[in-house]
Amino acid sequence: DAMVIQNPRYQVTQFGKPVTLSCSQTLNHNVMYWYQQKSSQAPKLLFHYYDKDFNNEADTPDNFQSRRPNTSFCFLDIRSPGLGDAAMYLCATSRSGTGSYEQYFGPGTRLTVT
Amino acid sequence: AQSVTQPDIHITVSEGASLELRCNYSYGATPYLFWYVQSPGQGLQLLLKYFSGDTLVQGIKGFEAEFKRSQSSFNLRKPSVHWSDAAEYFCAVGAAGGGADGLTFGKGTHLIIQP
Repeated sequence: DAMVIQNPRYQVTQFGKPVTLSCSQTLNHNVMYWYQQKSSQAPKLLFHYYDKDFNNEADTPDNFQSRRPNTSFCFLDIRSPGLGDAAMYLCATSRSGTGSYEQYFGPGTRLTVT
Repeated sequence: AQSVTQPDIHITVSEGASLELRCNYSYGATPYLFWYVQSPGQGLQLLLKYFSGDTLVQGIKGFEAEFKRSQSSFNLRKPSVHWSDAAEYFCAVGAAGGGADGLTFGKGTHLIIQP
């Protein structure tokens, strides 16, 4: 089945230690998104890639970076995680230009910062 | 800027009873509207969507939603809930015309099913 895969599902990192979260997709969608969801809150968009073009949300901290080496993969890098970065990180994909704009979400990576 | 309001943080419904979850949106043009469901520790699953056309849309798992432009609402309904429907429900709005913008989510409604 075509899907959005996130690895790892659970990640523990130390305060200030860089961490990378991974997302891959078999849907061949051209748009990939990263959302941050803190406990009992709505998902909040951090940034997205439209093909190779990176689009950062205005209020996304500089501590968060992303890479998309090819259509299938997208990475979220947190350069110096703080305690406030503990959250569920959701990757999503969509295909633009087809008139069908729903986003398909992966299962998420739960990040704990110690 | 677009926004979504889900006025009910928690809703408790008896199994077999009907359900309505409220969603109001703010957007300057015709919005793209979605309902997603999230089980604990899981990602979001799309229940249904509205882009245009018939204002009553059917989704998966027996859910439906009605778009009412005059009320800026997109309420989710189900005639008879099952214990497995217990989850967090998010209403979301997307900007029309591009298809690449991120979604703006409401804060969610936590659905509790009583036996």
